[in-house]
Formats: sequence, structure tokens, C-alpha cells
Amino acid sequence: GAGVSQSPSNKVTEKGKDVELRCDPISGHTALYWYRQSLGQGLEFLIYFQGNSAPDKSGLPSDRFSAERTGGSVSTLTIQRTQQEDSAVYLCASSSRRGGDTDTQYFGPGTRLTVL
Amino acid sequence: GQNIDQPTEMTATEGAIVQINCTYQTSGFNGLFWYQQHAGEAPTFLSYNVLDGLEEKGRFSSFLSRSKGYSYLLLKELQMKDSASYLCAVRSYTDKLIFGTGTRLQVFP
Repeated sequence: GAGVSQSPSNKVTEKGKDVELRCDPISGHTALYWYRQSLGQGLEFLIYFQGNSAPDKSGLPSDRFSAERTGGSVSTLTIQRTQQEDSAVYLCASSSRRGGDTDTQYFGPGTRLTVL
Repeated sequence: GQNIDQPTEMTATEGAIVQINCTYQTSGFNGLFWYQQHAGEAPTFLSYNVLDGLEEKGRFSSFLSRSKGYSYLLLKELQMKDSASYLCAVRSYTDKLIFGTGTRLQVFP
């Protein structure tokens, strides 16, 4: 597609349930990032995939959070045993990482997660 | 540590010029980005600076001073549609973006 897509756009779940959020990056982009934006807060880095390298998981807030990237394209962020503090907008971004000046990250529309 | 500071809110009048400042203290620096984010939407890329100086792109310009850990975004000829949050982000050597909390700009007629 033309841009980064994410699904679902909205997810309401009960505390303790597991959720999966999906990201389809821009075709040909080798780098994929997950960020979280809580109400009134800045974007918080979660995890970064680059090609076949081991992902940078340094931003994951707890071991309840995990992510996969299958076939170097689609990524799934999984949150187990959700808590109310997990409520946020989860944003995915991708970049080409071909070198050059910018390697700009382009963002998807996000998934708004609400944990009741 | 990582610290990026921006004003929380700013207001301006349609047709005016506004400057949004950003100061940063990060353990690595590999470029500074400005993004625009309208309420409920994804951030969209505005500008990128990696060398000192001014980058101009239409009504928007961005300035960087690496020695001072300082950047600003300059918006000219403000329009109502420029009401949005403006996010300053520093790219680390490991390519992840470290964001400030954003500056919410309201443009009034």
C-alpha cells in the first residue's frame, strides 16, 4: 500500500486479556518501529526491527509486551494480561534505511487501545 | 540520560509567524526531526536537520545548533490548519527516535 497501515484502529479489552496489534509497513521498508503515545505524553519508543538483525527491545516496558516481524514485513505487537496503564495509542512506523540524508520514519494511523 | 524539552502550548494569530523551540540532551545524536500531529491522527514528517543551520521548506523552516543542543521550527503565514501538535525528536545512533512531549499550537483568526 501507499502508507503504513495498522489494525485494528480501535481496541477495547478487559483487564487481564491478551491483545494483538498489527502493522503493515510501507512496501520495501526494511526498518519497522513501534511507539506508544499515552494521553498528554510524548511518543515512547518500544521496539525496533531492522532487516534480519536482532530487534532492539530496549523500550518494552515489561515482559508482558512482545513483538514479532514475520518475513521482514508485517509485525505484530502482543500485550499479555493487559493492565489499565497499557491504555494508549500504539503507533507503528517504517523507514527505508537505504542510507542518504533522512531515513525518515513514516507513521501509521495507530491503534487506540482501551483497557477497562 | 535523554531529555527533550519543548513548550507545552503556544497560541498565535492567523497570518503571523511563530517559533517553537526545542532543547535536547541525549547520549547520542544522529539528526533531529520535526513532526506535525493533528488530533487523533498520526505524526507526519515536516523537517530534518543533521548539520547546523537553517533548512527551509515553504512556510516551514527548521534550525539546528548542535553545540547548544537547540533547534527551532519556524512557521510563517500561519493558517488555521496549522493548529496541531509539533513534535521534536532526536534520532539516536541506534536509529530510534526520542520524542519530546510536543507543543500544542492553536491558531486564532
